[in-house]
Amino acid sequence: AQKITQTQPGMFVQEKEAVTLDCTYDTSDPSYGLFWYKQPSSGEMIFLIYQGSYDQQNATEGRYSLNFQKARKSANLVISASQLGDSAMYFCAMSDTGGFKTIFGAGTRLFVKA
Amino acid sequence: GAVVSQHPSRVICKSGTSVKIECRSLDFQATTMFWYRQFPKQSLMLMATSNEGSKATYEQGVEKDKFLINHASLTLSTLTVTSAHPEDSSFYICSADLAGTPYEQYFGPGTRLTVT
Repeated sequence: AQKITQTQPGMFVQEKEAVTLDCTYDTSDPSYGLFWYKQPSSGEMIFLIYQGSYDQQNATEGRYSLNFQKARKSANLVISASQLGDSAMYFCAMSDTGGFKTIFGAGTRLFVKA
Repeated sequence: GAVVSQHPSRVICKSGTSVKIECRSLDFQATTMFWYRQFPKQSLMLMATSNEGSKATYEQGVEKDKFLINHASLTLSTLTVTSAHPEDSSFYICSADLAGTPYEQYFGPGTRLTVT
C-alpha cells in the first residue's frame, strides 16, 4: 500500500531564509509521481512542484525545489528566500501508476516570521 | 493554466436536507474528477473517483448512497450529500485530471459545508 509521511506538524522560518519540509513515501510501484501543494487559509490547493519517479534531476520551480532521494524514498520541499506569503499548510502527495488516486500526507504548517 | 471551479463555495443546510456541489473544469476536458473531504486541520481524504459516463468508484468506508456522484459531461461532476447530518460538515474539494498529462490534477477552490 502507498503511504506518505510528513513528520513536521509545524515549522517556523525567518523571512528571507530557506526552509526544508520533510516528506517520505512508501510504494511498491516502480512508476509514481510526487507533488507538493500549498494550502493557504482560504482553502484552495495550489500546485507547487512535481517530481516523476524516473526523473533524473531534482525538480525546481522558482523558489521551490524538490530534493528527491529515491533510495531513501524521500521528497523534501525546499523553499528558498521565504516570504511572509509562504505561511500556509503544505502537503506532500503521491500518485500511483497512471496518475490516478493521489494520496496526501498529514501536512506541515509553515509560519514565516518577519 | 487549467482552471477548476466549485459551486457553491460555502453552504449551510439543515440536518436531513440534501446539498449538491458542482465541480467544473472551465478550460479543459476532464475525463476523471476526484472528490476529497478535508476535516479541520487534517489532510485531504479521497472519497471517490468520477469518470465521465460511468459510475463513480468510491473509497473504502465512503457511503455511495449518501454521497452521490454524477459525472454527466467532460466538464462537470456533481457531489450530492443526501440527508445531511452535522458530522457531514466538512470542506469538500474536487480535482480534475487533465487528459494527456498523467499525474497532474487541478484542484477546485473547495466548498465548505456546514450542517446545522
